[in-house]
Amino acid sequence: KAGVTQTPRYLIKTRGQQVTLSCSPISGHRSVSWYQQTPGQGLQFLFEYFSETQRNKGNFPGRFSGRQFSNSRSEMNVSTLELGDSALYLCASSSAAPGSGYTFGSGTRLTVV
Amino acid sequence: TQLLEQSPQFLSIQEGENLTVYCNSSSVFSSLQWYRQEPGEGPVLLVTVVTGGEVKKLKRLTFQFGDARKDSSLHITAAQPGDTGLYLCAGGGETSGSRLTFGEGTQLTVNP
Repeated sequence: KAGVTQTPRYLIKTRGQQVTLSCSPISGHRSVSWYQQTPGQGLQFLFEYFSETQRNKGNFPGRFSGRQFSNSRSEMNVSTLELGDSALYLCASSSAAPGSGYTFGSGTRLTVV
Repeated sequence: TQLLEQSPQFLSIQEGENLTVYCNSSSVFSSLQWYRQEPGEGPVLLVTVVTGGEVKKLKRLTFQFGDARKDSSLHITAAQPGDTGLYLCAGGGETSGSRLTFGEGTQLTVNP
């Protein structure tokens, strides 16, 4: 069974630009979560989508947004990029069954210059 | 805000030694998960514990969930170089739904 696929793997953007990251979950998984990982803050929850609806949201500014499509694929968008947005962005999918855990993708490494 | 504190932050040991990593909080979690992450990759789920006092074993790894569901430990017996990686604990809150709260991680290095 294919794992969680994130594209692109690496991205370099200029401050002020916007970026869209993509995540394809494991087939059959309807829950997709996004996390930001930085050396100083560790893994921080961005948001979670289930059946195309945002079910949970972390404490990030409105520049961070996401959506989920009917096939459960998800995208996250960051507008007006800042240097501090440089991070590894991880997507995780889950069947949402109790105790099922999450399967993470390899992440997208975003560098803002 | 639920917080998870992991200790130690860094651990460097010789092959064959035993070690324990701790994950503590003042909050109660409905479940706790342990992940291992290697450089350039996403975390990989090792185990999920949901019942206070629960102990799970995965080959040389033993995971324990505290009776009050506020803490957990990961014990590795006879560590091997292949165990090297970043170990993360993550709690699923009783009120936070699907959101996971992660600890800062323990960077383990096992030297041959």
